[in-house]
Order: sequence, then C-alpha cells, then structure tokens
Amino acid sequence: DQQVKQNSPSLSVQEGRISILNCDYTNSMFDYFLWYKKYPAEGPTFLISISSIKDKNEDGRFTVFLNKSAKHLSLHIVPSQPGDSAVYFCAAIETSGSRLTFGEGTQLTVNP
Amino acid sequence: NAGVTQTPKFQVLKTGQSMTLQCAQDMNHNSMYWYRQDPGMGLRLIYYSASEGTTDKGEVPNGYNVSRLNKREFSLRLESAAPSQTSVYFCASSAYVPWDRGPNEQFFGPGTRLTVL
Repeated sequence: DQQVKQNSPSLSVQEGRISILNCDYTNSMFDYFLWYKKYPAEGPTFLISISSIKDKNEDGRFTVFLNKSAKHLSLHIVPSQPGDSAVYFCAAIETSGSRLTFGEGTQLTVNP
Repeated sequence: NAGVTQTPKFQVLKTGQSMTLQCAQDMNHNSMYWYRQDPGMGLRLIYYSASEGTTDKGEVPNGYNVSRLNKREFSLRLESAAPSQTSVYFCASSAYVPWDRGPNEQFFGPGTRLTVL
C-alpha cells in the first residue's frame, strides 16, 4: 500500500505566482516529513522538513504546512521562479527510524 | 568533498547478465541506502545499511544483493538481470541523528540509468 501519496503528477504555474504541491499520508507513526527536489539527470536534494509537532515551517520562499488531523501536508513556493521547475518528492520517516517513504513525485513547471 | 558518487552513470545489460553498481560517500555517514526510481512510482528502497557491517531489506529487495564493503562504500549487485530491473538507481547516505533532534537528511548520488534488454 502506498503510505505517502502525491495525487498530482504535474503542476504548471506562471512565474511570480504561488505553487502549491500536496501530499497525503496514511501512517500515523510518521514523525517527520521532508520535501526533496530533483532536477533531470541529478539525484534528489533536500529542500525543507517539518516535525509532526509543528504545523508550519518556513525557509525563504518555501513553506511547508502540516495538517495532522487530515494527514495532509503541502509545500508552498512564493514567488515561483523558472529555476524551481523540477520534480518534487514528499517523504516521511517514522519515529526513531531511518527509512524514508517517498511519494510518487510532482513535476512542477514554472513558465516565464 | 565529492559527497555521494556512483558508477557507472549508464549501463545496458542483456537479460541474465550480472553487474555491480558502486557507491561511495566521503561524508563519514553511518547509513547508506539503495533506491530505484520508476515513472509514477517515486523512489522505492531496495536495501539499506544502518551502519557498517549491517544490511537490511527495503521495500523491493528481490533480485538484488548488497555489500557494505566499509564505512564509505555500499554496492548493489544484480545477479541475473531482468527487464523489470530497468530503472534509475540512486544511492544515498545519512548521518546518525537522534530522533528528537530532527530527521536524518539523506544525501543522494547522481544515479545510474540501467536498461535491461
């Protein structure tokens, strides 16, 4: 079963607008949630994370929101830039665990 | 400081052939991982090594073996390649982080694109 799901395979936004990427999970034992960004022909790179005891974490243009009751998190990018065009993976990790569970990924395209 | 390196970058095999994917990290990380990425499937964990001398199965271990050669190196072997193993393979590493101090961010290599005919 897919414990972490990203239901939108792709998202297209205009430069300067907000990008919102969504992620749902089923495992209530997940303790941390992470977002990774991946450019073509490169490995994923860590972007931002949030602990399950928080509902928001912000880092520059990137903000992650967590709604534990709905088992839902989202990544907001404001303002979006063409260089943000990449595949974004949502991932989760259980308490005291070391194994990440990834979602399917969302291809973000930011149009100039 | 090269981070995580993987060799080869590309490989084409015929069904039944064997090969070993190499991975090395120079960040003195304890844990290392092998993932495969397939379209629409995200990254799926094949095997991982929490520390030198230990290895454990991940989500999709069938058809693969691993060796944690030392703290730096973690190899993935396909004994008899099958077309279903056509994929992009990523190696990653992470330091030990106490769970209450934050997630153990994983650092990824550039990947190996494998095609099995």
